[in-house]
Order: sequence, then C-alpha cells, then structure tokens
Amino acid sequence: EVQLVESGGGLVQPGGSLRLSCVASGFTFSSYAMHWVRQAPGKGLEWVSSITSSSTYIYYTDSVQGRFTISRDNAKNSLYLQMNSLRAEDTAVYYCTRLVLNDAVNGQYFDYWGQGTLVTVSS
Amino acid sequence: DIQMTQSPSSLSASVGDRVTITCRASQNINTYLNWYQQQPGKAPKVLIYAASNLQSGVPSRFSGSGSETDFTLTISSLQPEDFATYYCQQSYSFSRTFGQGTKVEIK
Repeated sequence: EVQLVESGGGLVQPGGSLRLSCVASGFTFSSYAMHWVRQAPGKGLEWVSSITSSSTYIYYTDSVQGRFTISRDNAKNSLYLQMNSLRAEDTAVYYCTRLVLNDAVNGQYFDYWGQGTLVTVSS
Repeated sequence: DIQMTQSPSSLSASVGDRVTITCRASQNINTYLNWYQQQPGKAPKVLIYAASNLQSGVPSRFSGSGSETDFTLTISSLQPEDFATYYCQQSYSFSRTFGQGTKVEIK
C-alpha cells in the first residue's frame, strides 16, 4: 500500500524556519518526482514545489522562490521542504504528493497524497 | 504562469442531477488537464487525468472532456458522496497550477 506521511508542521513566528518531512512507503520512491502542494485555511490548492526523481530538476512557485528549499533522500525514502523567512501568508496545510506519468495519453497527475501537516505562521 | 479559471465557484444541486463544471486555461495546454475531488478535511483525490481518462476506481458517472483551453467535468447523476469541492489542474508546465475550485453543495 502506498503511503505518504508528512511531519514537521507547527506554530512559528514570522521570519522563522521550519523543515517539513514526508516519508514514503509502498513504492519505489527513487523512481518518482515528488511535489509539495499547500492549502491555506478555507482556500484552494496551491502548487508549491517539485523535485525530479534524481533531484536533477527543482522548481518553485514564485512566492516561495529563495525562501523554501525542496530536497529528497532516496536512501531514506524521504522528501523535505526547508522553509525559511516564513510569512503569515505561508500558513497552510502542506501536502506531499507523488506525480505519476502516463505517456500514452499525456498524463501527468498526482495519484497519492499524504494527510497533510499544518504550518501556522503567527506572532 | 498558466492561469486556470473554473466556473462556477459554487453550485447547489440535488441528488440525481447532472452537474457540469468548466475550467479554462490561459493558454493552450493540449490535454494536460486533471480533475480532483476534495472532501472537507481530506487530501484531494484524482478523478480524471489527461482531460478525459477516468482514474481507476472512480465511478463512471464522472467524465471529462476538452482540449487546448476549455475543459469540462461532468457528473451524470449526483450522489450524496459527491458533495465536495472540485479542482482542475494543468500539468503542461512545471508550475502545476490549480483552478480556484468549485464547491458542490446540497440544494
């Protein structure tokens, strides 16, 4: 059974830092690109960052570029998101999610998601 | 960045109704369009990928269509468990933007 389990969320003051982790099981982690998606309270989904299977390509949404760093350790089946210089608008549930490819039909979609971890940025 | 615009933002419907949600991309995304359902307090779940392909295990009352910039999610006969929020998402560019969501509520 595929599982993604996030941890590391919590309450942090503006300007502070947090490191989120996502531990994967039930599949060959090193074969998949992984993404972080967040959802502010009562709001929609926002894509945050992605990392390819070998960490060759990394992307961020503009609002977190230069403040957040995505990484992975394939030996530990783990995905990370280092968040620095946190702002109130970063308050959200952060989900890690797996990207699956179906080249026959131009399919690239998120097929498994973790349960999410809540990050609250407040003084 | 590619912008995704859904309509309506919310709708009220009854069990058994046919429901249609539309999603428009700000540029041609071919068929790189996915639909997700999110229940309150839960992670999203993929329903349709590549515009019209039903994810395994998803009921056949869900269907998707469209290409380039205009896409549609249809629920042929709304069931009680379908009251949720639905999101479209493009996978054409590396920035995997979502639509703002459509909340389907009970009439």
